[in-house]
Amino acid sequence: NAGVTQTPKFQVLKTGQSMTLQCAQDMNHNSMYWYRQDPGMGLRLIYYSASEGTTDKGEVPNGYNVSRLNKREFSLRLESAAPSQTSVYFCASSVWTGISNQPQHFGDGTRLSIL
Amino acid sequence: SQKIEQNSEALNIQEGKTATLTCNYTNYSPAYLQWYRQDPGRGPVFLLLIRENEKEKRKERLKVTFDTTLKQSLFHITASQPADSATYLCALADLLNSGYSTLTFGKGTMLLVSP
Repeated sequence: NAGVTQTPKFQVLKTGQSMTLQCAQDMNHNSMYWYRQDPGMGLRLIYYSASEGTTDKGEVPNGYNVSRLNKREFSLRLESAAPSQTSVYFCASSVWTGISNQPQHFGDGTRLSIL
Repeated sequence: SQKIEQNSEALNIQEGKTATLTCNYTNYSPAYLQWYRQDPGRGPVFLLLIRENEKEKRKERLKVTFDTTLKQSLFHITASQPADSATYLCALADLLNSGYSTLTFGKGTMLLVSP
């Protein structure tokens, strides 16, 4: 069972370059999420998609855009990368993001360095 | 402002002992609380969920308590093993006006179990 798959696993960018992080889940989940994890900061929500066709901002959306391509796929785009966006990015999914309290399933992350 | 606190110092215990991790929160009225495990270089993995009207939840060697008066959750691992060494994250649900619910994560506590 693949679960949540993120590509690429590692990436180095130069300041100002653009990049799209890909995420796909095979669990037929409705909701998907993008987080970033920085030392001493914990996981912070960037954007989420409650269902196909909807996206909403999380705690730290500035500098990012997202696309819910279909039910399986949710991508995160950095239009003009900045060193402050150096981080580990995690994609997650859940059955639903309502109050039914569903756990989230995470991918293994993309380690992004911006020089 | 809303805040989740987990002990930032690593917890070192001997194999066979009970590990107890703490999650304190302020300015929240969470409907439920989740605990996750994260190994180095991997994404978080869901362990347990406890609802606001539940005092205690168990799963094999794991036990979680939830005291909404103290605004605290305790996570216990009994008969700990070196394989339990990892970082443990607590996460609280934010119920949004939209009816959706997203998670806010604590920074995590590292547990080290020595043989």
